[in-house]
Amino acid sequence: GAGVSQSPSNKVTEKGKDVELRCDPISGHTALYWYRQSLGQGLEFLIYFQGNSAPDKSGLPSDRFSAERTGGSVSTLTIQRTQQEDSAVYLCASSLTQYNSPLHFGNGTRLTVT
Amino acid sequence: DQQVKQNSPSLSVQEGRISILNCDYTNSMFDYFLWYKKYPAEGPTFLISISSIKDKNEDGRFTVFLNKSAKHLSLHIVPSQPGDSAVYFCAASYLTGANNLFFGTGTRLTVIP
Repeated sequence: GAGVSQSPSNKVTEKGKDVELRCDPISGHTALYWYRQSLGQGLEFLIYFQGNSAPDKSGLPSDRFSAERTGGSVSTLTIQRTQQEDSAVYLCASSLTQYNSPLHFGNGTRLTVT
Repeated sequence: DQQVKQNSPSLSVQEGRISILNCDYTNSMFDYFLWYKKYPAEGPTFLISISSIKDKNEDGRFTVFLNKSAKHLSLHIVPSQPGDSAVYFCAASYLTGANNLFFGTGTRLTVIP
């Protein structure tokens, strides 16, 4: 089916390296979200895109985190100089519209920083 | 500050019985509430939602109840089935031009055959 696709599914990286996580939303969905889930925690909001713009970046934990979305479709979340506390499952979601529309999640990227 | 709270980290129920999962929230501006179900190694899957203009929404075996005065919602699953065993997340949002969902920490439901 044409669900939200994330890659890679797993990523192990050394502390201090940069990583890029990719999200392919459902075709036609205008809104795209990044969340992360650390061990034993709920889902933590990171950033939200409407089209290619990001009206809400309030959840990005530090300036090492950035995200972009091109062509109103694919999004990349970049973490620079990774730290061990960045280890988590990073989940991408998309929704049809901006308002009161359920989010559809991908299976996530499990990031481990050693 | 956790605006959506699920105070029970786990729940065990016998197959065929009712499962009741609870959720509390603190932000009175929330006007849209959802339940998601998550299996291991998969992303959360949308289950059911409710708008603040309603107090009940039903979809098959799943019913969500909203008590705005108590800032409380619950998910009822009747009858519970072993395949319902998963982590259930409550989420809420409000209409300010964003669709950012605030999630609870989840409740792990185990349905015992």
